[in-house]
Amino acid sequence: DSGVTQTPKHLITATGQRVTLRCSPRSGDLSVYWYQQSLDQGLQFLIQYYNGEERAKGNILERFSAQQFPDLHSELNLSSLELGDSALYFCASSVDGGQAFFGQGTRLTVV
Amino acid sequence: LAKTTQPISMDSYEGQEVNITCSHNNIATNDYITWYQQFPSQGPRFIIQGYKTKVTNEVASLFIPADRKSSTLSLPRVSLSDTAVYYCLVGAYGGSQGNLIFGKGTKLSVKP
Repeated sequence: DSGVTQTPKHLITATGQRVTLRCSPRSGDLSVYWYQQSLDQGLQFLIQYYNGEERAKGNILERFSAQQFPDLHSELNLSSLELGDSALYFCASSVDGGQAFFGQGTRLTVV
Repeated sequence: LAKTTQPISMDSYEGQEVNITCSHNNIATNDYITWYQQFPSQGPRFIIQGYKTKVTNEVASLFIPADRKSSTLSLPRVSLSDTAVYYCLVGAYGGSQGNLIFGKGTKLSVKP
């Protein structure tokens, strides 16, 4: 158990819909990272937050957005979903960006 | 952000030592080198991190030459359960830094 909790574990939704993925970081970790991993693909970095502020942005689509709340949990919002958005979405947390701990992921299936 | 280059795949047999080398020619002075392991459908898991020379923990060793332009992850006596993708990351850490950008990684297949 990494200490990072992601909910839900699985999500099936239809094209055009909007979903919210939630991440609770390890206690005390200020940084939260979001990644997308499609089948047999690498980890695509989406976005990083540090203590509530956006710190770095990767290949995140305009249809996607994220935020980190004062209690440090984070949410990734995916809207106008397309079939190609089906993937595993991982959240990771770190206290200083060195050793990061990953959650078990949310498997999103868009039908 | 230093770019890393690793072999796409490697094969080994149980009980052998496996060495995976990562090239990072543009590593910056304050960059660290970190390795992660990922099993299918699971989040990556931290293996080891180092700055220079050699670092060893209970699962692996990390060798970094003086010029720091490459690093080698050494897995002693691998087993079937070590079959996974291994990622090499280079970046500065501390505070709000921490560029966790993953490359394609090295897919290690351990055979009986």
